[in-house]
Amino acid sequence: RKEVEQDPGPFNVPEGATVAFNCTYSNSASQSFFWYRQDCRKEPKLLMSVYSSGNEDGRFTAQLNRASQYISLLIRDSKLSDSATYLCVEYQAGTALIFGKGTTLSVSS
Amino acid sequence: NAGVTQTPKFQVLKTGQSMTLQCAQDMNHNSMYWYRQDPGMGLRLIYYSASEGTTDKGEVPNGYNVSRLNKREFSLRLESAAPSQTSVYFCASSVRTLSYNEQFFGPGTRLTVL
Repeated sequence: RKEVEQDPGPFNVPEGATVAFNCTYSNSASQSFFWYRQDCRKEPKLLMSVYSSGNEDGRFTAQLNRASQYISLLIRDSKLSDSATYLCVEYQAGTALIFGKGTTLSVSS
Repeated sequence: NAGVTQTPKFQVLKTGQSMTLQCAQDMNHNSMYWYRQDPGMGLRLIYYSASEGTTDKGEVPNGYNVSRLNKREFSLRLESAAPSQTSVYFCASSVRTLSYNEQFFGPGTRLTVL
């Protein structure tokens, strides 16, 4: 099974900080990637898709580096409500979504 | 529009007991999935259904059976529960199968097997 590797954290940051997570993948042929957010004891929800040109949505920026086979998620001006686990997800064509184990972020006041 | 619903939310079983987890979606999605999530592990696919009438094994199908009852409903059955099946089970749906379409998840069923 191809793996998606994430630093589990936890990342503990103050409000207003900028924080970045990386995720590495092993299948160079993979085409699509996503970041899902999962709150404690809740279901995962799609945060962002990751495009080859990068993707920005407000305070969140996702980027893909195919040469080094990693994707990143940057969160600017962190809010308390950003505290959650962030799941890196790889779509391997013709197979399944491969979920990473998640990176935990805790934002404190 | 409830999205994806799952019942029950919590369940405790004894080893060897059987049960069925229910899942329904009201988004007219073609594809549905069952995952399990264990501490320290990523979500792992148990079974999926590309469309009504079809089911396929995922990464960890042993000990489970599924039924795609109609387009809306996809159930997961444990015939003889084992402690190794203690987990959180999520049902999900998407417009198409195993594609880059967003998957929408239900709230999960927390199962403990004693």
